[in-house]
Amino acid sequence: EVQLAQSGAEVKKPGESLKITCKGSGYNFTNYWIAWVRQMPGKGLEWMGIIDPGKSETRYSPSYHGRVTISADKSISTASLQWRSLQATDTAIYYCATLGIRGGSYPPFDYWGQGSLVTVSS
Amino acid sequence: DIQMTQSPSSLSASVGDRVTITCRASENIRRYLAWYQQKPGKAPKLLIFPASSLQSGVPSRFSGSGSGTDFTLAISSLQPEDFATYHCQQTESAPWTFGQGTRVEIK
Repeated sequence: EVQLAQSGAEVKKPGESLKITCKGSGYNFTNYWIAWVRQMPGKGLEWMGIIDPGKSETRYSPSYHGRVTISADKSISTASLQWRSLQATDTAIYYCATLGIRGGSYPPFDYWGQGSLVTVSS
Repeated sequence: DIQMTQSPSSLSASVGDRVTITCRASENIRRYLAWYQQKPGKAPKLLIFPASSLQSGVPSRFSGSGSGTDFTLAISSLQPEDFATYHCQQTESAPWTFGQGTRVEIK
């Protein structure tokens, strides 16, 4: 069974750094890209970026490029999303999701983690 | 970026009703359109991709249609477990954009 297990909720102050994680299991972690998606309170979904865990190749949405860093450690089947300096506007739920495990061209996000709530408040 | 516009943003319906949600892309995305269902406090779940193909385990009361720029998600007979928010997403080109979501509420 494909599973993505995300790290727990975080409460941070503005200016602090943070890394959240997403551990894949039940499939070959290096074969499928992983995406990160933001959902602000009561709002829709926003794609932030993706990573090829096998090569650590990344692509970012222009809206997030330079604001976050996506990485992966294939030895522990874990992808990460990190911030150097959080802002209050980063308060959101962050989801990781796999691309294309179910096959097909131009694949959607087919398996999702449970989400990590990040709260940034002074 | 390709803009995705869903309508309505919310709707109220009763159990047994037929419900339709539309999603319009700002440019041609062929059939690379996904529909997701999201229940409160839960992650989105992939229902349909591409455009009209139900994912394994999704009840047959759900259906998708469309190509190019105009797409529709239909629920033929709304069930209590279908009350949720539905999101469309284009996967034709990065950045892979979502619609703003449609919240389906109990009347």
